[in-house]
Amino acid sequence: ETGVTQTPRHLVMGMTNKKSLKCEQHLGHNAMYWYKQSAKKPLELMFVYNFKEQTENNSVPSRFSPECPNSSHLFLHLHTLQPEDSALYLCASSQPYGLAGDTGELFFGEGSRLTVL
Amino acid sequence: AQSVTQPDIHITVSEGASLELRCNYSYGATPYLFWYVQSPGQGLQLLLKYFSGDTLVQGIKGFEAEFKRSQSSFNLRKPSVHWSDAAEYFCAVGELLAGGYNKLIFGAGTRLAVHP
Repeated sequence: ETGVTQTPRHLVMGMTNKKSLKCEQHLGHNAMYWYKQSAKKPLELMFVYNFKEQTENNSVPSRFSPECPNSSHLFLHLHTLQPEDSALYLCASSQPYGLAGDTGELFFGEGSRLTVL
Repeated sequence: AQSVTQPDIHITVSEGASLELRCNYSYGATPYLFWYVQSPGQGLQLLLKYFSGDTLVQGIKGFEAEFKRSQSSFNLRKPSVHWSDAAEYFCAVGELLAGGYNKLIFGAGTRLAVHP
């Protein structure tokens, strides 16, 4: 496998359920990101992890709980979500700008489509 | 604060026609600029990027973009559109985080439809 892989691709959950989204990158990158894409809003950055340390939390509600056990894996744990949390959740990874000529662009997975009933 | 504006929500062109998608940004320093494309049900794919140097950048699939600092713009162009170009296009400005990582601020996107 290559690139950024997200599972599951589709998830339907009730408001009282607990579920998790998984992201795995095979690019050797050190930074990983969660973005939320809603129907009526621009892409919103949720979290950034750099070498497993969270470096950005964009005022995300605590019902979203990220976990980054290593530089290749990123999880988003979900519980007691609201219907307005239904969206496409995109994971991305990148290398630092300037490292070995890298230009720091983000590589995205195909997303996990979440529906909260 | 950094921001990106894509004035056109929807654009429809005929196959073979030329295309220009507009993007304006607000950023205090020299911006890192990107164009991504998203096909239905897919993630985002990088089309091209601007960091420095030549203000006309070439990307994949025959796309190019021109950085104009005086107009705070980074418009995307293609001389002849193909039906497979129908997708949503996102312009983004990158804010460097500590450690050299990019925090991308995205525009709202432009949905492109292509008539046969």
